Amino acid sequence: GQQVMQIPQYQHVQEGEDFTTYCNSSTTLSNIQWYKQRPGGHPVFLIQLVKSGEVKKQKRLTFQFGEAKKNSSLHITATQTTDVGTYFCAGPDGNTPLVFGKGTRLSVIA
Amino acid sequence: AAGVIQSPRHLIKEKRETATLKCYPIPRHDTVYWYQQGPGQDPQFLISFYEKMQSDKGSIPDRFSAQQFSDYHSELNMSSLELGDSALYFCASSLAGRLDEQYFGPGTRLTVT
Repeated sequence: GQQVMQIPQYQHVQEGEDFTTYCNSSTTLSNIQWYKQRPGGHPVFLIQLVKSGEVKKQKRLTFQFGEAKKNSSLHITATQTTDVGTYFCAGPDGNTPLVFGKGTRLSVIA
Repeated sequence: AAGVIQSPRHLIKEKRETATLKCYPIPRHDTVYWYQQGPGQDPQFLISFYEKMQSDKGSIPDRFSAQQFSDYHSELNMSSLELGDSALYFCASSLAGRLDEQYFGPGTRLTVT
């Protein structure tokens, strides 16, 4: 089955610094979704990417889907303390609607 | 806007007991998913239902069963609980089967002692 690798596992940044998390799949993905989970909270859907090479922006967040549809990235510009949480990428695999990556836990130091 | 409702929010059970978790999807959502998330882990897909029929099955133990009812709410039944079943259990719902983004409920924290 598909494996979704996500790096880094942890990232500590100063407020105002940029942050990027990378997601790599062992197989081609039909689509990839990104979720954010705050400490003690539940995963919250951020975005879905479907097209090869797709780039989408949400305010300070930029999402990219690789040309081969096997990798994706999430970049946050000028992090804020409200960005704290774990960011997961997830994609479908066979009989599994969503296989999650291990997540990147972001800490922002004010 | 209405969100996914899960009950109970917290549950403490002893080994070998049974537990039932309930999930009420967002109105008009026809698909329900169940996930298990251990501490510091990513959510692991257990099972899903589309229009009251089981649609996909993941790493759900044989001791667990689930169903979706006519009003689209779903229940996860867990028997012969083990210490390793202690985790957060999320229910998520979506429209259009497995093609759409999933909206997660607040989760049920199950502790098995």
